[in-house]
Amino acid sequence: GAVVSQHPSWVICKSGTSVKIECRSLDFQATTMFWYRQFPKQSLMLMATSNEGSKATYEQGVEKDKFLINHASLTLSTLTVTSAHPEDSSFYICSADVGQGYEQYFGPGTRLTVT
Amino acid sequence: RKEVEQDPGPFNVPEGATVAFNCTYSNSASQSFFWYRQDCRKEPKLLMSVYSSGNEDGRFTAQLNRASQYISLLIRDSKLSDSATYLCVVNIFGDSSYKLIFGSGTRLLVRP
Repeated sequence: GAVVSQHPSWVICKSGTSVKIECRSLDFQATTMFWYRQFPKQSLMLMATSNEGSKATYEQGVEKDKFLINHASLTLSTLTVTSAHPEDSSFYICSADVGQGYEQYFGPGTRLTVT
Repeated sequence: RKEVEQDPGPFNVPEGATVAFNCTYSNSASQSFFWYRQDCRKEPKLLMSVYSSGNEDGRFTAQLNRASQYISLLIRDSKLSDSATYLCVVNIFGDSSYKLIFGSGTRLLVRP
């Protein structure tokens, strides 16, 4: 089955610093990857759609200058949270389109805590 | 109004029980429908796609009613391992791609 990995699985950083999260498709090529954020007891909210070789499409209300997305290859997308603040603390999950019926397979998530 | 609405639960049922979850969606242009399962502090995992004719996978049965914009999931003979949050998910098309819209989830607790 399709496997998506994320790194790191958890990170603690200080307010004002930047954090990069990697999302990799391990056994397939993913033209499109998606980045979600999930706050406690809430559902996943799509942040942006990342297409290989082009600029990401951000959802309304998501600051593109704060959440930098790079999808430089068919197996890797990165999300950088710039100048992180405590309110950015959340569970960040990526997913990849496996190209069959719009199903997405999710990475294990990255738990970010900003102190 | 939320694009995908679910009863948050929790549904607390004994082992062996049958339990049903419902979901409604607001975008009539939605194309594909799914149920995902999410365990605590883990990523969602695809449980099953939902087709217009209804589909079954072992103890799980999913139904779709496009006219009513309603999706259901039935779990028969509940196991302790079924305890999780079940997410109703709808696929809609944007300008250049599609996106999945997640419901807030229905929590299921199966007790011995």
